[in-house]
Amino acid sequence: DTEVTQTPKHLVMGMTNKKSLKCEQHMGHRAMYWYKQKAKKPPELMFVYSYEKLSINESVPSRFSPECPNSSLLNLHLHALQPEDSALYLCASSREISSYNEQFFGPGTRLTVL
Amino acid sequence: QKEVEQNSGPLSVPEGAIASLNCTYSDRGSQSFFWYRQYSGKSPELIMFIYSNGDKEDGRFTAQLNKASQYVSLLIRDSQPSDSATYLCAVIDRGSTLGRLYFGRGTQLTVWP
Repeated sequence: DTEVTQTPKHLVMGMTNKKSLKCEQHMGHRAMYWYKQKAKKPPELMFVYSYEKLSINESVPSRFSPECPNSSLLNLHLHALQPEDSALYLCASSREISSYNEQFFGPGTRLTVL
Repeated sequence: QKEVEQNSGPLSVPEGAIASLNCTYSDRGSQSFFWYRQYSGKSPELIMFIYSNGDKEDGRFTAQLNKASQYVSLLIRDSQPSDSATYLCAVIDRGSTLGRLYFGRGTQLTVWP
C-alpha cells in the first residue's frame, strides 16, 4: 500500500462550525505533514509531525489544531475559520524527516468556508 | 528564506517533442531535489527526485542536477497531451531536521496534439 488517503474530499463549513480533516497512511512512515494550497500557488507547510510528536508549527493560527493519534493517522481540527481559509488541504508523509526522504501527498480536501 | 525559481511559463510544446523545465535555487546547502506534477484540481504527485550531480532517468523523464550552478532541470521526452500539468520543483536543505520542502511557483506545461 503506497497511498496516503484523506477524508473528506470536499468540505463546506460556516465560520462557526467545528470540523475535522483526516489523513491516513499505511506505509510505515513516521513523518506526516499538513500543507495548505491556494489556487495557482505552491503548497505551504503548516505542521510537521515526527514519531507522533509535533516538530514544527509554521505560525499557523490557533483555529487550526493538528493531532496525531498514532503513527498512521493525522487529523486537522478546524474551528471558527474565515473565508480566506478556503483552500486545498494536503496531507503528506515520508519515511522519516530527513533530506533524503521523499514526501508523498494525499489527494487533498477541498475546503470552502462560507 | 530559501528561494526556488522556475520558468514562469506557460510552456507549450507539440506532442512528441522534448519539454524542458528548469529550476534554480538560492541556497548552496540544498541537498535533495524533487519534481512534482500537479494536474488542475488534484494533489502533487512525485515524479522524480535527485540527490547527486548528473542525470537520473526514469522512463520518459530525466532529471539533471548541477550543484555548482545551483540548477536542476526536468526533461520530458516524447511529450504527450497527458503530460499537460503544472510541474513543481522542490528542494530540502542538507541535514534538514525539519523535512521542510521549499517549492517553486511551478511551471505550467501544455502539450498540444
